[in-house]
Amino acid sequence: DSGVTQTPKHLITATGQRVTLRCSPRSGDLSVYWYQQSLDQGLQFLIQYYNGEERAKGNILERFSAQQFPDLHSELNLSSLELGDSALYFCASSGTGRGARGYGYTFGSGTRLTVV
Amino acid sequence: TQLLEQSPQFLSIQEGENLTVYCNSSSVFSSLQWYRQEPGEGPVLLVTVVTGGEVKKLKRLTFQFGDARKDSSLHITAAQPGDTGLYLCAGGRNVNTGFQKLVFGTGTRLLVSP
Repeated sequence: DSGVTQTPKHLITATGQRVTLRCSPRSGDLSVYWYQQSLDQGLQFLIQYYNGEERAKGNILERFSAQQFPDLHSELNLSSLELGDSALYFCASSGTGRGARGYGYTFGSGTRLTVV
Repeated sequence: TQLLEQSPQFLSIQEGENLTVYCNSSSVFSSLQWYRQEPGEGPVLLVTVVTGGEVKKLKRLTFQFGDARKDSSLHITAAQPGDTGLYLCAGGRNVNTGFQKLVFGTGTRLLVSP
């Protein structure tokens, strides 16, 4: 157990639907990161939150959104789902993201999303 | 856009062999990390290097950060079946908000057979 909890572990949904993925960071970590992993694109950075505020954005589609709540848990919302959105979605956390060189990420076990 | 290229993409070897995985980029990174990922799990951090030329050893694994901080290598001595997995390098890049984000490499899938 890495200390980062992601739910659900598996999700199967139809095209056009909307889903919410949840992440609880490791205790004490303020930064949460969302990544998408697919076979052809590898691990792609989506978005980062630090203590409730968005801090960095990657290749996140407009159909996707995220937020970090006061208790530091985060949710990734995926809407108008397409077949190509099928992937593993990982959440990671770290103690700090502010200019700290060399800090490591702790990853959760991921949510496998299948869009049919 | 994939900024970090890893080679080889796939590697299948016998137990006891040595191997090296390379991670290359045209960009400079402030830090370089290596992760191992097993099926159904998230990546697990193995090591972080932050200084150009830095070498770190973790039992049979040796990690090196290039002098120019653009590349890195992972060398495994006497590989064991337990080393099987997906190895990912990740470079730290500063973003204009004063934060860093990690950019992951393309990955090297290693299979060590008994």
